[in-house]
Amino acid sequence: DVQMTQSPSSLSASVGDRVTIACRASQTINIYLNWYLQKPGKAPQLLIYAASSLQSGVPSRFSGSGSGTDFTLTISSLQPEDFATYYCQQTFSTPITFGQGTRVEIK
Amino acid sequence: QVQLVQSGSELKKPGASVKVSCKASGYTFTSYHMNWVRQAPGQGLEWMGRTKPNTGKSTYAQGFTGRFVFSLDTSASTAYLQISSLKAEDTAVYFCARDYGGSPYDDFDFWGQGTLVTVSS
Repeated sequence: DVQMTQSPSSLSASVGDRVTIACRASQTINIYLNWYLQKPGKAPQLLIYAASSLQSGVPSRFSGSGSGTDFTLTISSLQPEDFATYYCQQTFSTPITFGQGTRVEIK
Repeated sequence: QVQLVQSGSELKKPGASVKVSCKASGYTFTSYHMNWVRQAPGQGLEWMGRTKPNTGKSTYAQGFTGRFVFSLDTSASTAYLQISSLKAEDTAVYFCARDYGGSPYDDFDFWGQGTLVTVSS
């Protein structure tokens, strides 16, 4: 199975900050990497697919990069509604696996 | 608009069974795979497996074989997750989520709202 490791596990940031979350795969996954945001008590929402493609309707402050084993999600200017948990997901091979999540909290 | 609407919360005793439904609307049901994802209390997301509505074939992740069964009613655009011989550790929120069968990236672009299954004596 492909193991996905996110860092950090949590971070504190202020509105307007630039935030970067890393995701590393245990083996190469090309660009089969997606990012989701989950707010408490809600279903996850797709932000980025294929490592760097912005899902329709997602604000342009979100961006993704990377290929192979190392990927990054960047929020260029953190907004109040962005405080949530973020997950990466690999779909290169089954079983599909998720990172453990990164919780973004208000500083 | 696309919607995945799941059945309501369930409280079950150990050893019982539960069947969670996920009704799809707003798109061609057979063109998208239906995935199931488990989230235990305070934990992350775990892919359980998926069903391809156009073939009816299901794939199960390790740890979700035997007691877990995915099924479909294509005439009703509804997917089902049945869990038998429930254990306390099955307590979790279960999500359905679709991915487009024609895309290589298998991103889950729409999700159900989640169904909380609580197993307690």
